[in-house]
Amino acid sequence: DIVMTQSPLSLSVTPGEPAAISCRSSQSLLYKNGYTYLDWYLQKPGQPPQILIYMASNRASGVPDRFSGSGSGTDFTLKISRVEAADVGVYYCMQAVQIPIIFGQGTRLEIK
Amino acid sequence: QMQLQESGPGLVEPSQTLSLTCSVSGGSISNGKFYWGWIRQHPEKGLEWIGYKHYTGTAYHNPSLKSRIDISVDTSNNQFSLRLTSVTAADTAVYYCAAFFHDLTTYSNWFDPWGQGTLVTVSS
Repeated sequence: DIVMTQSPLSLSVTPGEPAAISCRSSQSLLYKNGYTYLDWYLQKPGQPPQILIYMASNRASGVPDRFSGSGSGTDFTLKISRVEAADVGVYYCMQAVQIPIIFGQGTRLEIK
Repeated sequence: QMQLQESGPGLVEPSQTLSLTCSVSGGSISNGKFYWGWIRQHPEKGLEWIGYKHYTGTAYHNPSLKSRIDISVDTSNNQFSLRLTSVTAADTAVYYCAAFFHDLTTYSNWFDPWGQGTLVTVSS
């Protein structure tokens, strides 16, 4: 199985400041079709996860442009340009390049 | 807008079978762009993919659970179900149903939408 490792596991950010979360996979997430299957999800308190970024760098519909994803191969980053109170929750990366689908352990974002 | 809703017992006895159903509204379970899946979250833990199934019958399961899982798709009632046999306390978790969008034109995929989740406790 692919191992997904996120860092940091928690971060505390002042509103208006940027934030970045790293996700590393034990194997390349580049599929034979040339696409990279790495998604980012946010689980707000008391809610199910919601899609933020798919295929490493594509914002899902309705996601603010404060969120951006980058990376390739085994190293990926989710960036929030200006953190807001509504961004509180746990962020997960997820690989879908092979079965089983694996989620990272999660990064908890709190507001200072 | 598609919505998913889980239903089923919140308490299951050890060694018995966990059975959950996910009702789909605002969309057809026969839409070929979706696999219908289950993901669970142990208390205060991360997310574990259980498996998903296409309405045509193609299915993928987590090998760690494979021999105990059955996912079925009911096109007549626009719902899909999970059966997990021989449960133990380790199967206590919030179970989410989720649609795995899979577009063969753009090669994109993601889980959306998700149900609200249902807590299943395994205990006697």
